[in-house]
Amino acid sequence: GAGVSQSPSNKVTEKGKDVELRCDPISGHTALYWYRQRLGQGLEFLIYFQGNSAPDKSGLPSDRFSAERTGESVSTLTIQRTQQEDSAVYLCASSPTVKNEKLFFGSGTQLSVL
Amino acid sequence: EDQVTQSPEALRLQEGESSSLNCSYTVSGLRGLFWYRQDPGKGPEFLFTLYSAGEEKEKERLKATLTKKESFLHITAPKPEDSATYLCAVQARGAAGNKLTFGGGTRVLVKP
Repeated sequence: GAGVSQSPSNKVTEKGKDVELRCDPISGHTALYWYRQRLGQGLEFLIYFQGNSAPDKSGLPSDRFSAERTGESVSTLTIQRTQQEDSAVYLCASSPTVKNEKLFFGSGTQLSVL
Repeated sequence: EDQVTQSPEALRLQEGESSSLNCSYTVSGLRGLFWYRQDPGKGPEFLFTLYSAGEEKEKERLKATLTKKESFLHITAPKPEDSATYLCAVQARGAAGNKLTFGGGTRVLVKP
């Protein structure tokens, strides 16, 4: 596709349920990031994948959060036992180079935990 | 810990009224400073990367400058279509260089 694609665009769930968010990066991009954006705030780094290297998970806020990526393709972010404070927009970005100078963002998944 | 602070939080401008946005940062060795534009309901869109103090970049009505402690985004004679949230981010050298640390953004509204 022409850009980074994320699905679903909106997700409403009940507290305690698990959710899975999907990101399709731009074809050929080796780096993939997940960020979280709470209402009215800046972006908060969650996790970074670069090729076949071990992911940088230093931004994951708790062990309820996990992410996977198969090769240089699709990534999924899973949040287990969701809490109300998990409500946010989850943004995925990909980058074509090792330097990761320019990130291309998707439109995000708006997650609402009731 | 890397930190980025943007000011003001919000800016209301009349069309044609030039202004500047500020991004103050602390980072353990700067690899790059980035400006992004974000429209409502969309992901951020890349504008500029600055690498060293004294560097300047321009795109249409936008001009970004960099010092050792801060960056400015100057908007010259803005138009309503320049209304957006402008985000500043830094990337550190070394092991921490895999991520961008973002500021809270400046919401710009340009009225006709």
